[in-house]
Amino acid sequence: SQTIHQWPATLVQPVGSPLSLECTVEGTSNPNLYWYRQAAGRGLQLLFYSVGIGQISSEVPQNLSASRPQDRQFILSSKKLLLSDSGFYLCAWSVRGDTSYEQYFGPGTRLTVT
Amino acid sequence: DQQVKQNSPSLSVQEGRISILNCDYTNSMFDYFLWYKKYPAEGPTFLISISSIKDKNEDGRFTVFLNKSAKHLSLHIVPSQPGDSAVYFCAASGIYNAGNMLTFGGGTRLMVKP
Repeated sequence: SQTIHQWPATLVQPVGSPLSLECTVEGTSNPNLYWYRQAAGRGLQLLFYSVGIGQISSEVPQNLSASRPQDRQFILSSKKLLLSDSGFYLCAWSVRGDTSYEQYFGPGTRLTVT
Repeated sequence: DQQVKQNSPSLSVQEGRISILNCDYTNSMFDYFLWYKKYPAEGPTFLISISSIKDKNEDGRFTVFLNKSAKHLSLHIVPSQPGDSAVYFCAASGIYNAGNMLTFGGGTRLMVKP
């Protein structure tokens, strides 16, 4: 069966510090991968998606970046965090070409920027 | 421009009664719709979906209705249980988009009172 892991589960970082969140998927190959953010009391905002190694599409311009160094690894980064980067970050995957469009989410990372 | 809207941020229902969660969309290219359930500090989990070729899909206590002419869908939960208390997101997708991307609504918090 497929599983998706995210770490760390919680993170408190000062403004201006760097960020690296990691997501890995097990039990599947060539998945589509996604990073979302849920700000307090808000919906899910798609930040990045990837259809293959090294292929990253950004949905929202900001000080965050994403990379996919391996097929089942997706990393969200920032060189300098802003207060507005606080939120709940979710990684998700889907089966490439799946017409059901289902995405499967990880447990999330709670980021607090102080 | 919000393409998927959930106009009710919260809903309170008595245990055993029906819960009706609503969702509106504006993009006529959407042809597949999904509902996700999310508990605090967890990733969303898939609940039920419907293709635009149908107007109803049922799975146990959960039924999703789609009205394409009105660009409206609803999720019915009967009977509602306290464990159903969560935030519910509707999401939409279409064959036009690469990467099986989903567009999410802002969510509705359902509270089922014992």
